[in-house]
Amino acid sequence: KQEVTQIPAALSVPEGENLVLNCSFTDSAIYNLQWFRQDPGKGLTSLLLIQSSQREQTSGRLNASLDKSSGRSTLYIAASQPGDSATYLCAVYSGTYKYIFGTGTRLKVLA
Amino acid sequence: NAGVTQTPKFRVLKTGQSMTLLCAQDMNHEYMYWYRQDPGMGLRLIHYSVGEGTTAKGEVPDGYNVSRLKKQNFLLGLESAAPSQTSVYFCASSPGTSNYGYTFGSGTRLTVV
Repeated sequence: KQEVTQIPAALSVPEGENLVLNCSFTDSAIYNLQWFRQDPGKGLTSLLLIQSSQREQTSGRLNASLDKSSGRSTLYIAASQPGDSATYLCAVYSGTYKYIFGTGTRLKVLA
Repeated sequence: NAGVTQTPKFRVLKTGQSMTLLCAQDMNHEYMYWYRQDPGMGLRLIHYSVGEGTTAKGEVPDGYNVSRLKKQNFLLGLESAAPSQTSVYFCASSPGTSNYGYTFGSGTRLTVV
């Protein structure tokens, strides 16, 4: 059974710092992995989708990497800003029509 | 704006009452999903649909029913609400499976007292 873990559960950093969020999964047989952002009381916004054949994806200040063999993905945020404060979720698609979600990392960027 | 729309956004129910949550998407997506989000447990799949007229059970289907009579709509029903169904409910849709990501609605916060 696929399990997705995100550590740490919460993180506070000063503005301008580069940071890395971690996601690990137990079954390396995945089709893709998606990173989401969730603001308090809001829905999920897709940030990056990495297919199993890809090593990384970039969007602006965000870079997500995928290492299937080790069951890991990282989300790198460059030059963090207070507006980046949110909960970041990773989700793994292993087939059977569903993503398996981690419980998220709650990020706070201090001005 | 194109996307996934959920109604209502908030609802308080008494134990034993029934209600229906509506999810509508205007992206012509084939697949639709209902998730619930609870503190410390992440999102868990309740039911999903791979096309008009189809539905299937997810991880936590008990106490819920769904219908997909029209491609753009996916309804989630609670026949007899219980306090354990207090949660935030999210609907999502996707064009297909492995190569596509999800688009989520903004959620429905349901409290059962």
